[in-house]
Amino acid sequence: AQTVTQSQPEMSVQEAETVTLSCTYDTSENNYYLFWYKQPPSRQMILVIRQEAYKQQNATENRFSVNFQKAAKSFSLKISDSQLGDTAMYFCAFISNFGNEKLTFGTGTRLTIIP
Amino acid sequence: DAGITQSPRHKVTETGTPVTLRCHQTENHRYMYWYRQDPGHGLRLIHYSYGVKDTDKGEVSDGYSVSRSKTEDFLLTLESATSSQTSVYFCAISESRGSSGANVLTFGAGSRLTVL
Repeated sequence: AQTVTQSQPEMSVQEAETVTLSCTYDTSENNYYLFWYKQPPSRQMILVIRQEAYKQQNATENRFSVNFQKAAKSFSLKISDSQLGDTAMYFCAFISNFGNEKLTFGTGTRLTIIP
Repeated sequence: DAGITQSPRHKVTETGTPVTLRCHQTENHRYMYWYRQDPGHGLRLIHYSYGVKDTDKGEVSDGYSVSRSKTEDFLLTLESATSSQTSVYFCAISESRGSSGANVLTFGAGSRLTVL
């Protein structure tokens, strides 16, 4: 069974600074996908970024980028030039590509951006 | 974006009563899911469906049943609600499937259920 671990329950950072959220996972699969979801106070789950395990290049979406270390089974999210609207819960998630449609989530990191 | 709606958005009920939550999609996607979200646990899969009348259990399926008689509707039923089922419930649909694409889930807005 796959597991996803987020070891930072809470983090805070000053506006405009850079912050990195950690995520590790455990799987015996070789092909899979990893995601970061954001959940603001509105409770809506919003996809931030995704990474395909067979791609060595780290995914980037504007101010959001990941550091994907497949051998170490690590998938951290970096937020550059943080903004007040980035305040939210962030969830790391994993899904296998081979018939397992179940997305496994970490327990989340609550990020607060301080003005 | 996929059209996905959950109802009701909020419900308060008493222990022992039956509760049904509805998830409706307008995109004709094959896969639908029910998750519950609790502090310290993230989101945990209750049940999912991979087609009409095709469902399977997730990691926290005890006390829940599901039905999918139409592609667009996925119902979650608590036959006899308990206080431990107080939670926020999310429905999700899978927007893409296949070896060439990541399996991105799109979530509904959530349903907050309180069992007294």
